[in-house]
Amino acid sequence: QQKVQQSPESLIVPEGGMASLNCTFSDRNSQYFWWYRQHSGEGPKALMSIFSNGDKKEGRFTAHLNKASLHVSLHIKDSQPSDSALYFCAIMSNYNVLYFGSGTKLTVEP
Amino acid sequence: EAAVTQSPRSKVAVTGGKVTLSCHQTNNHDYMYWYRQDTGHGLRLIHYSYVADSTEKGDIPDGYKASRPSQENFSLILELASLSQTAVYFCASSDGRKPSYEQYFGPGTRLTVL
Repeated sequence: QQKVQQSPESLIVPEGGMASLNCTFSDRNSQYFWWYRQHSGEGPKALMSIFSNGDKKEGRFTAHLNKASLHVSLHIKDSQPSDSALYFCAIMSNYNVLYFGSGTKLTVEP
Repeated sequence: EAAVTQSPRSKVAVTGGKVTLSCHQTNNHDYMYWYRQDTGHGLRLIHYSYVADSTEKGDIPDGYKASRPSQENFSLILELASLSQTAVYFCASSDGRKPSYEQYFGPGTRLTVL
């Protein structure tokens, strides 16, 4: 069964700073990787996906995938207070099942 | 945007009682899911379904039943609620025609078992 671990558990960055979130997984056959964001009191919402090794950039957000090292990361540039939330990485199996990490709580201080 | 609604939004139940959580989606999605969220555990899959009248066990199915009477509706049933089932429960749906399709989550149901 897929195991997904995230680090750090919590992260505090100043407004305008860079936030880096990490995720490791156990199944080398994993193919689809997602980052979800959950604001307090809401359901998780997909932030971005990455399916190929390398970097994928969407605005201030960059995801990086290295399947050989079983590692995926998310970097948030120019962090804003509105980015404060719980971030999950999620790995999809062949049967449309997502395995979630335990999350990183990001706080962006003004 | 895809819409998933859940009811009730919060519920207090007594130990040993029966609880039914409901989920409705208007996206014509094949797949529907039930997750529970506990502090420090992220989201864990309880049951899922890829077609009406059929359900599959997820990672933590013990103590839960699921029902998918139609494509739009998916229920989670706790026949004998226990204190350990106090959590926030999320329903989600996805298209399923491509495994890469994202899952859309509802707003959650906060369940407290006393």
